[in-house]
Amino acid sequence: DAGVIQSPRHEVTEMGQEVTLRCKPISGHDYLFWYRQTMMRGLELLIYFNNNVPIDDSGMPEDRFSAKMPNASFSTLKIQPSEPRDSAVYFCASSWGGMNTEAFFGQGTRLTVV
Amino acid sequence: GDSVTQMEGPVTLSEEAFLTINCTYTATGYPSLFWYVQYPGEGLQLLLKATKADDKGSNKGFEATYRKETTSFHLEKGSVQVSDSAVYFCALRGKAAGNKLTFGGGTRVLVKP
Repeated sequence: DAGVIQSPRHEVTEMGQEVTLRCKPISGHDYLFWYRQTMMRGLELLIYFNNNVPIDDSGMPEDRFSAKMPNASFSTLKIQPSEPRDSAVYFCASSWGGMNTEAFFGQGTRLTVV
Repeated sequence: GDSVTQMEGPVTLSEEAFLTINCTYTATGYPSLFWYVQYPGEGLQLLLKATKADDKGSNKGFEATYRKETTSFHLEKGSVQVSDSAVYFCALRGKAAGNKLTFGGGTRVLVKP
Protein backbone atom coordinates (compact mmCIF):
# COMPACT_ATOMS: atom_id res chain seq x y z
CA ASP A 1 0.00 0.00 0.00
CA ALA A 2 1.18 3.52 -0.74
CA GLY A 3 0.36 4.77 2.72
CA VAL A 4 -1.72 7.82 3.59
CA ILE A 5 -1.61 10.26 0.70
CA GLN A 6 -2.11 13.98 1.20
CA SER A 7 -2.32 16.67 -1.41
CA PRO A 8 -1.04 19.18 -2.09
CA ARG A 9 2.28 18.93 -0.24
CA HIS A 10 2.65 22.70 -0.22
CA GLU A 11 0.04 25.41 -0.61
CA VAL A 12 0.56 29.14 -0.66
CA THR A 13 -2.57 31.26 -0.79
CA GLU A 14 -3.68 34.79 -0.15
CA MET A 15 -5.70 35.77 2.87
CA GLY A 16 -9.41 35.43 2.22
CA GLN A 17 -9.10 32.63 -0.30
CA GLU A 18 -10.62 29.19 0.10
CA VAL A 19 -8.19 26.33 0.72
CA THR A 20 -8.96 22.63 0.37
CA LEU A 21 -6.65 19.96 1.70
CA ARG A 22 -7.11 16.36 0.59
CA CYS A 23 -6.41 12.99 2.15
CA LYS A 24 -6.59 9.42 0.92
CA PRO A 25 -6.37 6.99 3.85
CA ILE A 26 -4.92 3.51 3.70
CA SER A 27 -7.39 1.09 2.16
CA GLY A 28 -9.43 -0.77 4.77
CA HIS A 29 -8.81 1.72 7.55
CA ASP A 30 -11.91 2.87 9.38
CA TYR A 31 -10.55 5.82 11.41
CA LEU A 32 -9.30 9.07 9.93
CA PHE A 33 -7.74 11.93 11.89
CA TRP A 34 -6.88 15.52 10.91
CA TYR A 35 -4.14 17.27 12.92
CA ARG A 36 -2.55 20.71 12.71
CA GLN A 37 1.07 21.31 13.76
CA THR A 38 2.60 24.68 14.61
CA MET A 39 5.62 25.71 16.63
CA MET A 40 3.46 27.59 19.13
CA ARG A 41 0.67 25.07 19.68
CA GLY A 42 2.31 21.76 18.83
CA LEU A 43 0.19 18.97 17.38
CA GLU A 44 -3.56 19.61 17.68
CA LEU A 45 -6.34 17.17 16.82
CA LEU A 46 -8.89 19.00 14.70
CA ILE A 47 -11.43 16.29 13.93
CA TYR A 48 -11.67 12.55 13.51
CA PHE A 49 -13.99 10.16 11.70
CA ASN A 50 -15.01 6.56 12.22
CA ASN A 51 -16.58 4.77 9.27
CA ASN A 52 -16.90 8.13 7.49
CA VAL A 53 -18.88 9.68 10.36
CA PRO A 54 -17.40 12.62 12.31
CA ILE A 55 -16.97 11.56 15.93
CA ASP A 56 -15.38 14.61 17.53
CA ASP A 57 -14.88 18.00 15.91
CA SER A 58 -14.24 19.92 19.12
CA GLY A 59 -10.73 20.77 17.95
CA MET A 60 -11.87 22.65 14.87
CA PRO A 61 -10.81 26.20 15.66
CA GLU A 62 -13.79 28.05 14.25
CA ASP A 63 -16.54 27.98 11.67
CA ARG A 64 -14.11 28.80 8.90
CA PHE A 65 -12.91 25.20 9.12
CA SER A 66 -14.94 22.28 7.83
CA ALA A 67 -14.14 18.64 7.10
CA LYS A 68 -15.91 15.96 5.15
CA MET A 69 -15.46 12.30 4.44
CA PRO A 70 -17.83 11.38 1.60
CA ASN A 71 -16.51 7.83 1.36
CA ALA A 72 -13.94 5.52 2.91
CA SER A 73 -11.27 6.56 0.42
CA PHE A 74 -11.30 10.32 0.65
CA SER A 75 -11.49 13.21 3.08
CA THR A 76 -11.17 16.97 2.75
CA LEU A 77 -10.37 19.78 5.15
CA LYS A 78 -11.56 23.16 3.94
CA ILE A 79 -10.71 26.62 5.25
CA GLN A 80 -12.90 29.47 4.02
CA PRO A 81 -11.84 32.25 4.25
CA SER A 82 -8.21 31.58 5.10
CA GLU A 83 -6.19 33.82 7.43
CA PRO A 84 -2.44 34.14 8.06
CA ARG A 85 -2.82 32.46 11.47
CA ASP A 86 -3.98 29.31 9.68
CA SER A 87 -0.44 28.82 8.39
CA ALA A 88 0.70 25.43 9.65
CA VAL A 89 1.42 21.87 8.61
CA TYR A 90 -1.77 19.82 8.38
CA PHE A 91 -1.52 16.06 8.82
CA CYS A 92 -3.97 13.34 8.01
CA ALA A 93 -3.68 9.92 9.68
CA SER A 94 -5.65 6.70 9.43
CA SER A 95 -5.94 3.50 11.42
CA TRP A 96 -7.76 0.21 11.41
CA GLY A 97 -9.69 -0.69 14.50
CA GLY A 98 -9.70 0.99 17.87
CA MET A 99 -7.52 1.64 20.84
CA ASN A 100 -4.86 -1.03 20.36
CA THR A 101 -3.87 0.04 16.88
CA GLU A 102 -1.54 2.76 15.76
CA ALA A 103 -2.36 5.48 13.27
CA PHE A 104 -0.36 5.95 10.08
CA PHE A 105 0.44 9.51 9.08
CA GLY A 106 0.68 11.19 5.72
CA GLN A 107 3.55 13.48 4.77
CA GLY A 108 1.51 16.56 5.59
CA THR A 109 0.46 19.69 3.74
CA ARG A 110 2.41 22.84 4.52
CA LEU A 111 -0.03 25.74 4.25
CA THR A 112 1.15 29.32 4.05
CA VAL A 113 -1.43 32.12 4.02
CA VAL A 114 -0.01 35.49 3.03
CA GLY B 1 -10.51 14.40 29.19
CA ASP B 2 -7.48 12.36 28.22
CA SER B 3 -4.15 14.16 28.22
CA VAL B 4 -0.43 13.47 27.83
CA THR B 5 2.41 15.41 29.43
CA GLN B 6 5.98 14.99 28.32
CA MET B 7 9.17 16.76 29.20
CA GLU B 8 9.96 19.88 27.29
CA GLY B 9 13.01 20.03 25.12
CA PRO B 10 15.25 20.50 23.52
CA VAL B 11 17.32 17.67 24.91
CA THR B 12 20.93 17.88 23.73
CA LEU B 13 23.15 14.83 24.08
CA SER B 14 26.48 13.55 22.88
CA GLU B 15 26.64 10.43 20.75
CA GLU B 16 26.50 7.20 22.77
CA ALA B 17 24.85 8.94 25.73
CA PHE B 18 21.79 7.54 27.52
CA LEU B 19 18.45 9.08 26.59
CA THR B 20 15.32 9.31 28.73
CA ILE B 21 12.18 11.21 27.79
CA ASN B 22 9.52 11.32 30.49
CA CYS B 23 5.85 10.86 29.64
CA THR B 24 2.86 10.77 31.98
CA TYR B 25 -0.79 10.54 31.11
CA THR B 26 -4.29 11.08 32.42
CA ALA B 27 -7.03 8.89 31.05
CA THR B 28 -10.28 7.16 31.87
CA GLY B 29 -9.92 3.41 31.78
CA TYR B 30 -6.89 1.65 30.40
CA PRO B 31 -5.63 3.20 27.19
CA SER B 32 -2.96 2.00 24.81
CA LEU B 33 0.25 4.03 24.80
CA PHE B 34 2.49 4.97 21.89
CA TRP B 35 5.73 6.71 21.06
CA TYR B 36 6.01 8.36 17.65
CA VAL B 37 9.05 9.97 16.05
CA GLN B 38 9.13 12.83 13.55
CA TYR B 39 12.18 13.54 11.41
CA PRO B 40 12.54 16.97 9.79
CA GLY B 41 10.07 17.56 6.99
CA GLU B 42 8.27 14.29 7.52
CA GLY B 43 5.12 12.95 9.11
CA LEU B 44 5.01 11.04 12.37
CA GLN B 45 6.08 7.40 12.43
CA LEU B 46 5.26 4.85 15.08
CA LEU B 47 8.33 3.99 17.16
CA LEU B 48 6.78 1.56 19.66
CA LYS B 49 3.61 0.82 21.55
CA ALA B 50 2.20 -0.98 24.61
CA THR B 51 -1.42 -1.99 24.97
CA LYS B 52 -1.68 -3.06 28.60
CA ALA B 53 -0.07 -2.51 31.98
CA ASP B 54 3.51 -3.81 32.41
CA ASP B 55 3.90 -4.33 28.65
CA LYS B 56 7.26 -3.22 27.27
CA GLY B 57 7.41 -1.82 23.78
CA SER B 58 10.74 -1.85 21.97
CA ASN B 59 12.13 -0.93 18.57
CA LYS B 60 15.49 0.24 17.16
CA GLY B 61 17.08 0.17 20.61
CA PHE B 62 14.32 2.27 22.17
CA GLU B 63 12.20 0.89 25.03
CA ALA B 64 9.24 2.03 27.10
CA THR B 65 7.26 0.24 29.80
CA TYR B 66 3.57 0.86 30.51
CA ARG B 67 3.39 1.70 34.23
CA LYS B 68 -0.21 1.89 35.37
CA GLU B 69 0.67 2.66 39.00
CA THR B 70 2.57 5.81 38.03
CA THR B 71 0.59 6.50 34.81
CA SER B 72 3.86 6.75 32.92
CA PHE B 73 5.44 5.54 29.69
CA HIS B 74 9.00 6.87 29.69
CA LEU B 75 11.12 6.38 26.58
CA GLU B 76 14.74 5.19 26.94
CA LYS B 77 17.67 4.36 24.72
CA GLY B 78 21.01 3.21 26.02
CA SER B 79 23.30 4.68 23.38
CA VAL B 80 22.03 7.36 21.01
CA GLN B 81 23.33 8.13 17.55
CA VAL B 82 23.32 11.33 15.53
CA SER B 83 20.57 9.77 13.41
CA ASP B 84 18.28 9.70 16.48
CA SER B 85 17.98 13.49 16.31
CA ALA B 86 14.26 14.09 15.88
CA VAL B 87 11.08 15.12 17.72
CA TYR B 88 9.52 12.41 19.87
CA PHE B 89 5.82 12.32 20.75
CA CYS B 90 4.09 10.31 23.45
CA ALA B 91 0.44 9.46 22.73
CA LEU B 92 -2.48 7.53 24.11
CA ARG B 93 -5.62 6.03 22.69
CA GLY B 94 -8.52 4.86 24.84
CA LYS B 95 -11.86 3.29 24.19
CA ALA B 96 -13.47 5.46 26.88
CA ALA B 97 -12.53 8.54 24.85
CA GLY B 98 -13.95 7.18 21.63
CA ASN B 99 -10.60 5.85 20.40
CA LYS B 100 -9.31 9.37 19.97
CA LEU B 101 -5.50 9.53 19.50
CA THR B 102 -4.13 12.19 21.88
CA PHE B 103 -0.54 13.46 21.71
CA GLY B 104 1.80 15.17 24.12
CA GLY B 105 3.62 18.33 23.17
CA GLY B 106 6.66 16.61 21.69
CA THR B 107 10.31 16.62 22.79
CA ARG B 108 13.05 17.68 20.42
CA VAL B 109 16.24 15.63 20.76
CA LEU B 110 19.55 16.75 19.28
CA VAL B 111 22.47 14.33 19.30
CA LYS B 112 25.88 15.83 18.65
CA PRO B 113 28.85 13.84 17.32
